[in-house]
Amino acid sequence: SQQGEEDPQALSIQEGENATMNCSYKTSINNLQWYRQNSGRGLVHLILIRSNEREKHSGRLRVTLDTSKKSSSLLITASRAADTASYFCATDERVKGKLIFGQGTELSVKP
Amino acid sequence: EAQVTQNPRYLITVTGKKLTVTCSQNMNHEYMSWYRQDPGLGLRQIYYSMNVEVTDKGDVPEGYKVSRKEKRNFPLILESPSPNQTSLYFCASSPTRSYGYTFGSGTRLTVV
Repeated sequence: SQQGEEDPQALSIQEGENATMNCSYKTSINNLQWYRQNSGRGLVHLILIRSNEREKHSGRLRVTLDTSKKSSSLLITASRAADTASYFCATDERVKGKLIFGQGTELSVKP
Repeated sequence: EAQVTQNPRYLITVTGKKLTVTCSQNMNHEYMSWYRQDPGLGLRQIYYSMNVEVTDKGDVPEGYKVSRKEKRNFPLILESPSPNQTSLYFCASSPTRSYGYTFGSGTRLTVV
């Protein structure tokens, strides 16, 4: 079962612009995580937000979590060409402790 | 260097020939997990393990087996591979539920 659904599926922006990706999920969660994947490579953990947190920052990344709407967003500010990758949200299901991934947003940042 | 190591990176095999993909982590992590990634389907969890001798099924466990006899190793076994198991496989580990996972570099498996 897919827990997270991401929107948009693909996003193309110019360098310097901000990129926003959204994730919706269905069940109660312990935490929500965001990962980046460069083409065909392993995923890299970016940031984790716990269910009792509403916002978190890490460098150029800002993550928000709205548990009442079961949704999260990832904002990348001042994007760079090197940010071009696929971004996945993953939810840690509260009951079973499984980490379930969404299908990802493909971000392209043009120089 | 802290890492998750998968082997092999690439494998082409024939239908029905048993194979094992190894996964090893050097970070003393308790949680380990296997995922497969397919175009249009994203990452789907195959099995996960919360500690030695504790494993549970993910969303697509059929046709796969795992074991967790030692903390560092979590091999994925395909007893009788079929073409629909052609995929990109990832192993990942985490200290606990409240931390992000560290992923291996992936194993690209083709079953003909």
